[in-house]
Amino acid sequence: QQQVKQSPQSLIVQKGGISIINCAYENTAFDYFPWYQQFPGKGPALLIAIRPDVSEKKEGRFTISFNKSAKQFSLHIMDSQPGDSATYFCAARVAEETSYDKVIFGPGTSLSVIP
Amino acid sequence: DAGVIQSPRHEVTEMGQEVTLRCKPISGHNSLFWYRQTMMRGLELLIYFNNNVPIDDSGMPEDRFSAKMPNASFSTLKIQPSEPRDSAVYFCASSFSGLDTEAFFGQGTRLTVV
Repeated sequence: QQQVKQSPQSLIVQKGGISIINCAYENTAFDYFPWYQQFPGKGPALLIAIRPDVSEKKEGRFTISFNKSAKQFSLHIMDSQPGDSATYFCAARVAEETSYDKVIFGPGTSLSVIP
Repeated sequence: DAGVIQSPRHEVTEMGQEVTLRCKPISGHNSLFWYRQTMMRGLELLIYFNNNVPIDDSGMPEDRFSAKMPNASFSTLKIQPSEPRDSAVYFCASSFSGLDTEAFFGQGTRLTVV
């Protein structure tokens, strides 16, 4: 099952709060889990990524938590800022052919950080 | 590098017309992807190429859609004939095959079929 589920569909957080977006997958052949950030009128851009042999990865205010046994992973944005307002996509790469890079995207979460 | 370059940025066409979207990937990248983004269906992978060869076109909605990659620096996505339901933003992305690969997206082409 090459599908990535994502929730919530939309999220409103106050400035300084924590934004949490959750994702789940079924295919154990996924081997790489990137998160992309998309601003209006722009293409998605890589924000942070994790491999399944790591349970957590932190880059600045952004942290990915990964639970391999539950096949779930989440993005936490600490001290959320209005500039973080964007659509966030979790994604997963299929490892069946490691020389290829087929990435499946979740449906996206629209985050609004209000002052 | 200027990044992934797509053209045109916006396209408005009448139903039944042929539409061609163009993409120039980042130099040195050997994987190229075409995605379609709509509110209803999100970001859908239509087709991807590796070393100019189509690897997986299972996401292409129907025979009206075709994609080519004649060389490492150019790809096209063609819709013939176009229909109103094809209205969407079409993204091209490229990457270099590897363990922790990053796909770089273009700015997208907003297609409106009236």
